[in-house]
Amino acid sequence: EVQLGESGGGLVQPGGSLRLSCAASGFTLSDYYIDWVRQAPGKGLEWVGRTRNKAKSYTTDYAASVKGRFTISRDDSKNSLYLHLNSLNTEDSAMYYCTRYTSGEPDYWGQGTLVTVSS
Amino acid sequence: QSVLTQPPSASGTPGQRVTISCSGSSSNIGKQYVYWYQQLPGTAPKLLIYGNDQRPSGVPDRFSGSKSGASASLAISGLRSEDEADYYCAAWDDSLSGRVFGGGTKLTVL
Repeated sequence: EVQLGESGGGLVQPGGSLRLSCAASGFTLSDYYIDWVRQAPGKGLEWVGRTRNKAKSYTTDYAASVKGRFTISRDDSKNSLYLHLNSLNTEDSAMYYCTRYTSGEPDYWGQGTLVTVSS
Repeated sequence: QSVLTQPPSASGTPGQRVTISCSGSSSNIGKQYVYWYQQLPGTAPKLLIYGNDQRPSGVPDRFSGSKSGASASLAISGLRSEDEADYYCAAWDDSLSGRVFGGGTKLTVL
């Protein structure tokens, strides 16, 4: 069974950093694209970024709102990947989800991890 | 301002058929697959439709998706009280090199 589980969220001060983790099970992480999507309280869904699979050389794309501040990395040996959040501001407060994506195929979402940026 | 445009709200009575629209452009819906999600309060989004009109196993056939040009629609027939939720459309956008979502439609079952 395909499963994704996020962790690492919490309370952080403006300007601070955080590392979110996404643990995958039921499939080989290196074979798939993984997206990060976030949702601010009471707001809609916002795509954050993508890491492609090994066949696509693990290339990444980021939303303009986080480019230069957020970075996605992977550790395929642990079947895990990470979202590094730097220079955080209050607008980054959100539930963060990792999702397994294949164009034209069903995607899979984790349950999310909550990031709160506040002084 | 979302790249994909959805009505902010929709409503219907039990048993009715409702449709939620999603309008995009040639760089997203026009050439990419559309996905639809249902989100109940306090829960992660649940996949309802992928590949424009495909239902994952376990999703009732009351839910159906369609696409025409740069627009897509989600139809829910035989409306039930448990369908009351937020619904989002999504597609990859070639120009933005990113995934784009609609702003969400809050469905109320009267």
